[in-house]
Amino acid sequence: AQTVTQSQPEMSVQEAETVTLSCTYDTSESDYYLFWYKQPPSRQMILVIRQEAYKQQNATENRFSVNFQKAAKSFSLKISDSQLGDAAMYFCAYTPPGGGADGLTFGKGTHLIIQP
Amino acid sequence: KAGVTQTPRYLIKTRGQQVTLSCSPISGHRSVSWYQQTPGQGLQFLFEYFSETQRNKGNFPGRFSGRQFSNSRSEMNVSTLELGDSALYLCASSIQGDTQYFGPGTRLTVL
Repeated sequence: AQTVTQSQPEMSVQEAETVTLSCTYDTSESDYYLFWYKQPPSRQMILVIRQEAYKQQNATENRFSVNFQKAAKSFSLKISDSQLGDAAMYFCAYTPPGGGADGLTFGKGTHLIIQP
Repeated sequence: KAGVTQTPRYLIKTRGQQVTLSCSPISGHRSVSWYQQTPGQGLQFLFEYFSETQRNKGNFPGRFSGRQFSNSRSEMNVSTLELGDSALYLCASSIQGDTQYFGPGTRLTVL
């Protein structure tokens, strides 16, 4: 079974600074998708960024970018110019193409605090 | 496009009762997945429906069931509620099952 590990239960960063959230995963598949989701206090799970494993280029969405290291099975999220609205739980997730028997496999999350 | 909607947003039930939660996916999405989120267990996959058929199922007892209608709307039912069923239930829709977009969730409290 696939596993996703987020080793940082909590991170804190000053507003306008850059922060990197870590994620590692384990799979025997060669093709898959990786995601970062944000869950603010409203509890709505919001898709932040998606990476397809067969694409070597790291995904970027405005201030959010990933560092995808396929061989190391590492998928970190970098948030640049942190804003107060970025404060949330961040979940790393994995799924094979077309979804899988286990749906999305999530890590336990990282609580991101933004210091004003 | 309108996002994923879930109703009701909040529910309070007592042990032994049953509950039905509803999810309307994004227009054009045929896959609907359900997840349970609790502080202790995190996010756990319940099941996925695709074109009215249950395609995948997580490791939950038979008290948890679901269905999907021809318009892709999905319902989830929990019978004989237990205290441990108190959780946030999240529905997600996708075109094929991989990139999933979530609704706001239904918070279920079992007393």
